[in-house]
Amino acid sequence: AQKVTQAQTEISVVEKEDVTLDCVYETRDTTYYLFWYKQPPSGELVFLIRRNSFDEQNEISGRYSWNFQKSTSSFNFTITASQVVDSAVYFCALSVLTAGGSYIPTFGRGTSLIVHP
Amino acid sequence: AAGVIQSPRHLIKEKRETATLKCYPIPRHDTVYWYQQGPGQDPQFLISFYEKMQSDKGSIPDRFSAQQFSDYHSELNMSSLELGDSALYFCASSSRDNTYEQYFGPGTRLTVT
Repeated sequence: AQKVTQAQTEISVVEKEDVTLDCVYETRDTTYYLFWYKQPPSGELVFLIRRNSFDEQNEISGRYSWNFQKSTSSFNFTITASQVVDSAVYFCALSVLTAGGSYIPTFGRGTSLIVHP
Repeated sequence: AAGVIQSPRHLIKEKRETATLKCYPIPRHDTVYWYQQGPGQDPQFLISFYEKMQSDKGSIPDRFSAQQFSDYHSELNMSSLELGDSALYFCASSSRDNTYEQYFGPGTRLTVT
């Protein structure tokens, strides 16, 4: 069975601080996908990034960066110079191939990020 | 670009009533998925369909049923509603070749009173 652990339930920072959201996953599959989603108070799930298990390259997109380390089964997400608009719940997710032939994500419990002005 | 459409966006029902949620996938997507997200929880997979056939089944209650139609849209039917069914229901769609690339709709917020 797959498992995603986001140990940080809530993080509170002041604007312009850097913040890292942790994600640790468990799976026996060798092919899998990892995701981060943002869920603002309005409720929609905003896709941020997808990584497959064979691509350990870190990625940077503006103020966002992701560190994927298979050796520690971690896929951490860093926001540089946080802004109030970054306040949201962030979900890490893991997809493996099901018996039905689809990649279905298992989500972590989410980390609520609060950025104070 | 066209996105996944869900209707209605908000729904209020009383206990023991029935509700039907609709999902219209992105054009040319043939696979749809349903997720339930309770208050303060993470999204949980309910069920998926490919070419009108059930593909995978998650933690969907027996009171719920779903189907996919020939135009690929899907409906989630919920009967004998309980207070605990109050949640955000997401539909997602993908092509069969790229099920790891699911696109989520905006969700339907169901409130059961």
